[in-house]
Amino acid sequence: DQQVKQNSPSLSVQEGRISILNCDYTNSMFDYFLWYKKYPAEGPTFLISISSIKDKNEDGRFTVFLNKSAKHLSLHIVPSQPGDSAVYFCAASYRAGNQFYFGTGTSLTVIP
Amino acid sequence: SQTIHQWPATLVQPVGSPLSLECTVEGTSNPNLYWYRQAAGRGLQLLFYSIGIDQISSEVPQNLSASRPQDRQFILSSKKLLLSDSGFYLCAWSTGGAFKRSYNEQFFGPGTRLTVL
Repeated sequence: DQQVKQNSPSLSVQEGRISILNCDYTNSMFDYFLWYKKYPAEGPTFLISISSIKDKNEDGRFTVFLNKSAKHLSLHIVPSQPGDSAVYFCAASYRAGNQFYFGTGTSLTVIP
Repeated sequence: SQTIHQWPATLVQPVGSPLSLECTVEGTSNPNLYWYRQAAGRGLQLLFYSIGIDQISSEVPQNLSASRPQDRQFILSSKKLLLSDSGFYLCAWSTGGAFKRSYNEQFFGPGTRLTVL
């Protein structure tokens, strides 16, 4: 039923260290993945994406890794900053589909 | 620039009461519009999407309905709320036409927290 899963509902990391957020999916047709970041009382905003033709995409402090054989992706934030504290959603889609499938979210707290 | 508005921000309703959540988009024409819900312990789930006025597709059969009376207005309704309707409701828009799945083409509103008692 839940095709995209984020098994860690929360994560706490010290400022300056690496944050690793994980996401697993079950549908092998997914070929495009996104991470969204959500602050309280705001809608999710796009953070970074990756296509299935790649296994890594980097944008500044944010890197997404995709392991297609394991149906697993992860978001690395290095170094973590207090402003990164938010809920992070991973989402997936496939070419012939008509929607994004979202995970349950991971709440990241970066401790100063 | 484009903006998306949702109201109310929070809502507490008794079981059996009606519901109306509104979403409007400014700065674009003929957008695709989406309603999502996040229930406790679940991911964001697509409820309805619309590619034009009075053109609405339902993804999940349930106690809710959607209407699009104007190009940039999307309304989520219920005649009688259930406890299971509690959750966080998000409206989103994308440029018109076929489903857009690229990173810069779906934008979310601030959401409505609905609690049904």
